[in-house]
Amino acid sequence: SAVISQKPSRDICQRGTSLTIQCQVDSQVTMMFWYRQQPGQSLTLIATANQGSEATYESGFVIDKFPISRPNLTFSTLTVSNMSPEDSSIYLCSVEFTGAAATIYFGEGSWLTVV
Amino acid sequence: QKEVEQNSGPLSVPEGAIASLNCTYSDRGSQSFFWYRQYSGKSPELIMSIYSNGDKEDGRFTAQLNKASQYVSLLIRDSQPSDSATYLCAVRNTGRRALTFGSGTRLQVQP
Repeated sequence: SAVISQKPSRDICQRGTSLTIQCQVDSQVTMMFWYRQQPGQSLTLIATANQGSEATYESGFVIDKFPISRPNLTFSTLTVSNMSPEDSSIYLCSVEFTGAAATIYFGEGSWLTVV
Repeated sequence: QKEVEQNSGPLSVPEGAIASLNCTYSDRGSQSFFWYRQYSGKSPELIMSIYSNGDKEDGRFTAQLNKASQYVSLLIRDSQPSDSATYLCAVRNTGRRALTFGSGTRLQVQP
């Protein structure tokens, strides 16, 4: 595995604003994923972010609301746009490491509360 | 039908007992299965992965996979209060790299 750092770790945001979450990995990875975990719920995949191509969004998630950048093999950002209280969640960056088998590890998460 | 199903619990076991956590999945072509542990306020932490039918042991943890029954389980031997957490089952479905997660089972180990 490697070190996966997310910023911010926690934030309180005003309704209608946007926030960008950064994910930095200390080694190069091909596959990065963004998940959301709403309070008391399990993890839901938002999108898959590959370097050099557009992110692939899951059903129910759109680029206008959750724009993603993947400028290189160690970094990605997720923006939560025009936030509402329903966006209060943990946002998790995850990466796939391929060795003997492909395994996914998570960053520490970004806890967002929208007021 | 949910793709990955877990009993939400809580599952309560006494300290020193075996905790048995179960998971079923719907995609018969799935090849990779994972168990994550998530403490309250923390992100998921990988415990084990399993790819072949049978048992895989790692310390106090044993993962069991039965692809014919589309069933994967996690046994925790000699359960400790520090094992109290939510355990998430995750499956890599056919043709996808991302994981699909179950809703998690909350385990409580009573001292």
